[in-house]
Parts: sequence; C-alpha cells; structure tokens
Amino acid sequence: QSVLTQPPSVSAAPGQKVTISCSGSSSNIANNFVSWYQHLPGTAPKLLIYDNNKRPSGIPDRFSGSKSGTSATLGITGLQTGDEADYYCGTWDNSLTAGLFGGGTKLTVL
Amino acid sequence: EVQLVESGGGLVQTGESLRLSCAASGFTFSSYGMSWVRQAPGKGLEWVSGIIVSGLSAYYADSVKGRFTISRDKSKNMLYLQMRSLRAEDTAVYYCAKVLAPAAIGPQFDYWGQGTLVTVSS
Repeated sequence: QSVLTQPPSVSAAPGQKVTISCSGSSSNIANNFVSWYQHLPGTAPKLLIYDNNKRPSGIPDRFSGSKSGTSATLGITGLQTGDEADYYCGTWDNSLTAGLFGGGTKLTVL
Repeated sequence: EVQLVESGGGLVQTGESLRLSCAASGFTFSSYGMSWVRQAPGKGLEWVSGIIVSGLSAYYADSVKGRFTISRDKSKNMLYLQMRSLRAEDTAVYYCAKVLAPAAIGPQFDYWGQGTLVTVSS
C-alpha cells in the first residue's frame, strides 16, 4: 500500500483528455514539490512534470501538472496511442525523510 | 550528453551481499544529489535511497534501512549501493537516477539509467 495513492488504471479514446490523481498528506505532497514520470516496460522512466507544474524541455504541452493541498494531478490532452504507459507521481516525505512514489497508474488509449 | 550506466546486478542467494555501481558522465557529478530507485517484477517504482552532494548525508526507505548503504566517489563520478542481507523481496530492477536541481535530495529525477537486475533466490 503506497503512501501516495493513484488510481490503478485510467482509459480514454485517442484525442481525448485524461487526468491522473495522486493523493498524499501534509507530510509529503502538501509541503513538497511533486513530479510525474512516464514509464514504458523495459525502458528508463521519463520525467514529465517537475516542481508541480513545470515541463522539462522536450515534453509537449499536452502534459500538464497541478497541485492543491494534499493532492496533485497529471493531465494529458490529445491522447495518442504512444501515451500508453504507466504513470507515477513522486515527492518527498518530511516525516519519513524518504522519497515516495505513487503506486502507478496504467493508461490505456482505447 | 548525460549518461548513467548501472552495473553489478545478478543472481544471489538469500542473505548474501551485492554492490551495485552507477557510472555517471555528461554533467558535474559533484553538484547533484543521486538516488537509487527499484521496480520489483509486476510492481511499481520504489524509491530506495538518496545521497546529497557532499555524500555526508544519506536517506533510506524503511524497507532497506540498516541493510543497504549508498555512497558516492566524486573522483570517479561513481554512485554505489551496497546491499547486505538480501531478501527475496529485494528482487528488482535497480535504477540509478540524477536529481534535477543542484544540491537537492529529490526525488525529482531528470535522468535515469537503464537499470540492472538483481535476483535474490531462496
């Protein structure tokens, strides 16, 4: 059971929009930056969002991030079949003094 | 070009030890925190350990505290993970990851290695 809670799966049709939530607490999300990663099997995870809502260079603006209180959200618009992957949120926990990842969300583009 | 190349994985028996290495290049290694992240078969990502720039402070997940030790050698641009008293549940692909912001501990990782597989057999 992860400290950060994500839905196990989400799905949407090509071209549509999807959001993935990440729920935490005052010891982690509420007081630390949140990052989001895309992970395809057999490859290294890719950073999509950092500092809650910033995109690294090369990441299209179809990907967006937001944070409010103890929750964060990843949004993906204009879904493409190539977006099918596992998505993880990550942050630091001040009480555990440890890094955390959410349990991961599998995105299916129908 | 930033490169992180892990090595040292393999098959070991329960209770044995193993040391993972990560060779870093393409950035000023001495200016960034580093971490190890793992993924067990069929499971999600798990942050394992992180070390700050100076190497004087390190942090660990509860699941490995007291058994794993992270370290870094600035002269060789190397990151290490010494794993002792290995358990079956330590079986995973282990990734080396670079922290995005200078002098931060993470976990915001902008570069990852390809991973090295550790299998612990009972």
